[in-house]
Amino acid sequence: EAGVTQSPTHLIKTRGQQATLRCSPISGHTSVYWYQQALGLGLQFLLWYDEGEERNRGNFPPRFSGRQFPNYSSELNVNALELEDSALYLCASSPYRGGDTQYFGPGTRLTVL
Amino acid sequence: KQEVTQIPAALSVPEGENLVLNCSFTDSAIYNLQWFRQDPGKGLTSLLLIQSSQREQTSGRLNASLDKSSGRSTLYIAASQPGDSATYLCAVKTGANNLFFGTGTRLTVIP
Repeated sequence: EAGVTQSPTHLIKTRGQQATLRCSPISGHTSVYWYQQALGLGLQFLLWYDEGEERNRGNFPPRFSGRQFPNYSSELNVNALELEDSALYLCASSPYRGGDTQYFGPGTRLTVL
Repeated sequence: KQEVTQIPAALSVPEGENLVLNCSFTDSAIYNLQWFRQDPGKGLTSLLLIQSSQREQTSGRLNASLDKSSGRSTLYIAASQPGDSATYLCAVKTGANNLFFGTGTRLTVIP
């Protein structure tokens, strides 16, 4: 069974640009979670999608947004990039809303120059 | 707001030693606590999950305990191996289905 996949692996952007990160959950999983792991700040919860709806949001500005598609894959968009957005962005999935275990993908490394 | 702390931030031990990693959290209203392993630049691998009603979980050389009332968990690694070198993260799950992560303990096992 394929795990959670994320693309691209690395992404380099400049300040002010937009970044789009993609995540495909494990087959059969309906919930997708996004986390940011910035240097020195640890893993922070960004967004949770389930059945196509945004269910919860972490303490991030509105320029962080996303969506979940009918096939349960998800996209994270970051607008008006700032230098401090440089981080590893991790996606996780779980088999149903509130599923106990979240399964993580390998991450997308975003670098903002 | 839930805050999760891990001590120590880094640990270096010789191969074969038993070791304990610590995790503390400020709000005892949790659904479960999970220990993860993260290799450099990689995603997370779930090691053990303890439900709020449980006291401990074991998997191979790993044993995790949970004392919800005092807001503490420990991860015990027996007979450490160089392949155990990684960053270990604990995370608590709250009612909002969020995971709150600690900042991790970077473990180095010296051959």
